[in-house]
Amino acid sequence: EVQLLESGGGWVQPGGSVRLSCAASGFTFSSSAMGWVRQAPGKGLEWVSGISDSGGTTYYADSVKGRFTISRDNSKNTLYLQMNSLRVEDTAVYYCAKRSPTPSSNYFDYWGQGTLVTVSS
Amino acid sequence: QTVVTQEPSFSVSPGGTVTLTCGLKNGSVSTGFYPSWYQQTPGQAPRTLIYTTDTRSSGVPDRFSGSILGNKAALTITGAQADDESDYYCLLYMGSAIWVFGGGTKLTVL
Repeated sequence: EVQLLESGGGWVQPGGSVRLSCAASGFTFSSSAMGWVRQAPGKGLEWVSGISDSGGTTYYADSVKGRFTISRDNSKNTLYLQMNSLRVEDTAVYYCAKRSPTPSSNYFDYWGQGTLVTVSS
Repeated sequence: QTVVTQEPSFSVSPGGTVTLTCGLKNGSVSTGFYPSWYQQTPGQAPRTLIYTTDTRSSGVPDRFSGSILGNKAALTITGAQADDESDYYCLLYMGSAIWVFGGGTKLTVL
């Protein structure tokens, strides 16, 4: 059974930093591209960042480019999101998502339960 | 900036049929955007319903179907049930591992 378990959320002041983790199990993590999707309170879903299976290629939404860094440790089956220079508008539940295994499918097939990051003074 | 459009809200009667759409503010949605659809109830993670336009994810009832209608992707629910009351999001692939979600449609079954 595929499981994605996020952690690391909490309260942080504007301008601060936090690192989210996503522990993966039930599939071959090192062969799977991954991503982060967020949802501000009462708002819709927003794709934030993605990473290739090897970690060699990363992608970001314009809203977080230059402030967030996605990475992974395939030896630990863990995905990360380092979030710096946080803004109030970054407040959201952050979901870890597994990209579909078929390169031509281009969707997310499994989702974690999410971790809440609150940016407030 | 790419804007993906969805109806903010929709209502359907139990047993009825409803079609939710997913468009592009400046353009047409085709299969080349690999449209996918996700269902989300309050406080829960999204659930994958449809991918590559019209393929149902494992375990998804066949009352859910996807298609391209005109210049939009569409999600049709045939024979709506009370527990279909959820938020529905479409996702379009823009290429180069970049995705954009629509704003979501809140579906009420009453």
